[in-house]
Amino acid sequence: QSVLTQPPSASGTPGQRVTISCSGSSSNIAMNTVNWFQQLPGTAPKLLIYNNNQRPSGVPDRFSGSKSGTSASLAISGLQSEDECDYYCATWDDSLNGWVFGGGTKLTVL
Amino acid sequence: EVQLVESGGGLVKPGGSLRLSCAASGFSFTNAWMNWVRQAPGRGLEWVGRIKSKADGGTTDYAAPVKGRFTISRDDSKDTLYLQMNSLKTEDTAVYYCVRYLYYNGMDVWGQGTTVTVSS
Repeated sequence: QSVLTQPPSASGTPGQRVTISCSGSSSNIAMNTVNWFQQLPGTAPKLLIYNNNQRPSGVPDRFSGSKSGTSASLAISGLQSEDECDYYCATWDDSLNGWVFGGGTKLTVL
Repeated sequence: EVQLVESGGGLVKPGGSLRLSCAASGFSFTNAWMNWVRQAPGRGLEWVGRIKSKADGGTTDYAAPVKGRFTISRDDSKDTLYLQMNSLKTEDTAVYYCVRYLYYNGMDVWGQGTTVTVSS
């Protein structure tokens, strides 16, 4: 059972906009910034969003992040087939004194 | 090029020990806070622990499942991070990733991972 809650799956058709949620609590998301990671099959995770809504250089602006209270979300617009993979949210938890991850969301492009 | 390269994974029996290494290049390792994150087969990501830079105290924090069994250390003269794993359990079987953390950039650089299998 992950500390951060993500839907196990999400789907959309090419060109569509998809949103993935990440639900936490007052000791983690509410107090700290959220990172989002993309993991293609058989590869290491890659940072997609940091500080809730910032994109590292090289990440397309189709990817955006937001945070409100104890929840965060990742939005992917103009969905492409290569976006089909796993997505994880993460943040620091002040009570656990450690990083916590969501269980991951498997995105399928129909 | 900013890079992290893990090594040291392998097959070990329950109760055994293993030391993983992570060689950093292309950035100031001395100033970075470093983490280990693992991923069991078919499962999600799990934070293992971190070590702060020496300038920030060099202290360590660990996830509950590994506290008391795993030790993270760093050798800034060699730009290398270590994970000493003792009293290994079958549930420690995973790919172990070395990850850089920068305050303003998050967990921004990941190694390719090294596989640890704990089995009799």
